[in-house]
Parts: sequence; C-alpha cells; structure tokens
Amino acid sequence: GAGVSQSPSNKVTEKGKDVELRCDPISGHTALYWYRQSLGQGLEFLIYFQGNSAPDKSGLPSDRFSAERTGGSVSTLTIQRTQQEDSAVYLCASSPWTGSGSSPLHFGNGTRLTVT
Amino acid sequence: DQQVKQNSPSLSVQEGRISILNCDYTNSMFDYFLWYKKYPAEGPTFLISISSIKDKNEDGRFTVFLNKSAKHLSLHIVPSQPGDSAVYFCAASGGGGTSYGKLTFGQGTILTVHP
Repeated sequence: GAGVSQSPSNKVTEKGKDVELRCDPISGHTALYWYRQSLGQGLEFLIYFQGNSAPDKSGLPSDRFSAERTGGSVSTLTIQRTQQEDSAVYLCASSPWTGSGSSPLHFGNGTRLTVT
Repeated sequence: DQQVKQNSPSLSVQEGRISILNCDYTNSMFDYFLWYKKYPAEGPTFLISISSIKDKNEDGRFTVFLNKSAKHLSLHIVPSQPGDSAVYFCAASGGGGTSYGKLTFGQGTILTVHP
C-alpha cells in the first residue's frame, strides 16, 4: 500500500499483559514517529527514529514503553505490564526526513488499545 | 504544561460561511506551525503549514495566519463545506535543533459544517 500501515487496528488486553503494536512506514521514508492520543486529548509525542541515528525516546512515559525499528523500516512499539492509563490510540507516522518543516508527517490510522 | 492550546472544543458553521479555528502557543522557540485534519477512525492528515518568518499562507480555501507577538495562529476555511466536518489539530515544532516531525499538538477543535 501507499500509506502508513498499522496493526492491529484494535487491541483489547488485560491489565498486566504485554502488547506489541506494529507500524509499516511509507517506503523510502527515513523518519518514523510514534504518537498516542488519549481520550479527549491532543496527540502526544512518544519516540522517533531517523535513519541509523539513535532514537529520540524523550516522550516515552515510563520504562514500560519501548520501541525498535528493524532494518530502517518496520517499527514495533512494546508496552510491558499494561495499565489502564495506557488505553489510547497509538499512531505511527513517517516522513522523508526531519530537517524541514515542509516535509509533514504521514500518519497511519492508528491502533486503539484498550486495557481492561 | 500545555504549550499549544486550542481553547474551543467545538465550532458549528453554516455551509458557505467562514470557519475560523484558533490556536495559542507559549513556547517562543517554535518556528513551524501546522494544521492537521482528522476524521473518525483515521489518522490525521496534513492540511497546511506556516513558517515563523511568514504571517500568512494560503492554499485554496484554507488560509493560516500567524501573529508571533501574540503567539497566536488561526485557520480560516472559506467557503466551508460539509466535507470539512472533522477534528482540526494545531501543531508546532522546531527550535533548538529538534526534529521538525517532533510536534506538540493542541487538544483539537471539532468543526461541524451544516448544509
């Protein structure tokens, strides 16, 4: 497909379980971002990857959250020991590069995570 | 600390009229501002942007105005159409060598355009 693909689209998990969310960026995009949107809130930056550089993890809310990007393409966001406050829509975005504001982000449709 | 604020949770406009969505920011380091539109169950899509060196950018029916002294920007949609009904997010980035994709978003404004 031409756009950013995320899977699953919906995930319901029990408190305390681990979850993995997947993102396939647009082919050729070197920058990949994870955001989340909690109910009634704006999008909150979590982490970004740029090429082979070390990721910027400054937005991760706790050490239960981690992400990796394999081969400069697919990314996985992992949440360990999920809590109810982790319930949100997790959005992945990619862009050709990060050096210009004229290169806006292309978002996927998100994964809606519900922790019961 | 909400660095980007959209104080109107919702806005209702008649088709054909102008829609004005507002956004305020507090961080003077921001140097690039964007508007995204979001339909239910979809990711946000880029609408229009403006650099801090400009005070206006226009693209078809959409115009963004930036008032740096007031730390305020607005999005004008004219004429409004029912298909414009969506959630509109204001976002800001830049400054301090950060990635332009590392955005700070407002809470969003739900725009409803009535036929």
